[in-house]
Amino acid sequence: GQSLEQPSEVTAVEGAIVQINCTYQTSGFYGLSWYQQHDGGAPTFLSYNALDGLEETGRFSSFLSRSDSYGYLLLQELQMKDSASYFCAVRGRNSGGYQKVTFGTGTKLQVIP
Amino acid sequence: GAVVSQHPSWVICKSGTSVKIECRSLDFQATTMFWYRQFPKQSLMLMATSNEGSKATYEQGVEKDKFLINHASLTLSTLTVTSAHPEDSSFYICSAKDTWGNQPQHFGDGTRLSIL
Repeated sequence: GQSLEQPSEVTAVEGAIVQINCTYQTSGFYGLSWYQQHDGGAPTFLSYNALDGLEETGRFSSFLSRSDSYGYLLLQELQMKDSASYFCAVRGRNSGGYQKVTFGTGTKLQVIP
Repeated sequence: GAVVSQHPSWVICKSGTSVKIECRSLDFQATTMFWYRQFPKQSLMLMATSNEGSKATYEQGVEKDKFLINHASLTLSTLTVTSAHPEDSSFYICSAKDTWGNQPQHFGDGTRLSIL
């Protein structure tokens, strides 16, 4: 099966940098995604890593190490609006051989002034 | 970027009613769409994978007769919650992936279902 671990809560100061880690277990790895979800809203896609290394998109970067089954989301120049839950999601293969995406339990980020 | 439209965004209805939720991919073809349920302060739980032109694949513990899924075209999947009861009240979210390439999923805005 598939499983993911990420911290449940993180607090950081406005303007700072925060890193949210994610470790996963899966069969047949295809990629690791990150999503942001504000309270009451639907998830929005942030980034996707299929290969090792760092992907940068504006203030957000995501890193993947397939050998370590590990990734992280890096948020720079934190803004109050970044307060939200962040989910990592791994795309792997289920027991039937089909691709399946499993979400982590989410990390609630609180940005404080 | 890819856009997924989900409708309705909010439903309140009486117990025993059947509710249909639509999920459309607006600017891409989606052979596969996914239906999730999310309870307050919890993660997204995959309910089923909807495949165009074939039967949906349901996750363990999800009742096929309770949650009917139809994926009649490459841009539309529907989820019908049959004879809904208060315990079915939840946030239902669909997502879709472009048929071509190894692309991530994009989510609809979700449907908040409240059964009285």
